[in-house]
Amino acid sequence: DAMVIQNPRYQVTQFGKPVTLSCSQTLNHNVMYWYQQKSSQAPKLLFHYYDKDFNNEADTPDNFQSRRPNTSFCFLDIRSPGLGDAAMYLCATSRGGTGPNQPQHFGDGTRLSIL
Amino acid sequence: LAKTTQPISMDSYEGQEVNITCSHNNIATNDYITWYQQFPSQGPRFIIQGYKTKVTNEVASLFIPADRKSSTLSLPRVSLSDTAVYYCLVGDNYGGSQGNLIFGKGTKLSVKP
Repeated sequence: DAMVIQNPRYQVTQFGKPVTLSCSQTLNHNVMYWYQQKSSQAPKLLFHYYDKDFNNEADTPDNFQSRRPNTSFCFLDIRSPGLGDAAMYLCATSRGGTGPNQPQHFGDGTRLSIL
Repeated sequence: LAKTTQPISMDSYEGQEVNITCSHNNIATNDYITWYQQFPSQGPRFIIQGYKTKVTNEVASLFIPADRKSSTLSLPRVSLSDTAVYYCLVGDNYGGSQGNLIFGKGTKLSVKP
């Protein structure tokens, strides 16, 4: 089935050690999003790609970066993770274009722990 | 940005109809209203979307009054498996650089036997 896949489901890294989270999609959607969700909080949009155009939210820390080498894949890089970056990271996709909000299709997330 | 306000939590019993209301007083002309459901340790799932009046699909109905300053998600005959957090989002297009796809705090629905 077409879907959004995030691997791994759980990731542990050390304080300050760079980590990369991955997302792939088989929906052929041209928009891909990364969200951060901390415990008992709502998802918070970090940035998104519309095709190859990168859009960073104003309050996303510089520590967070993203790459989208092709339509199917998108990566979230955390350059120097701090304890406050422990969270669930959600990837989502949608069709772009004008008109109604195209529904987002979410992966089941990667839960990141920082030691 | 159209900010949304929802009740933090709601309780219900199996078989009842549940109505969750979302306030969005500064909704813009081009904004649509979208609801998502999220179970623990899973990503949110699209439930329903609407612009005005009433929209119904196989799982829910969405009621939007003429002024569009609020909307109500209606879940008919809930079951235990409907226990989840429900988010109301308001925005246009795909979100764009304005970041108008902002999740509110959501409503935690607990369905009891």
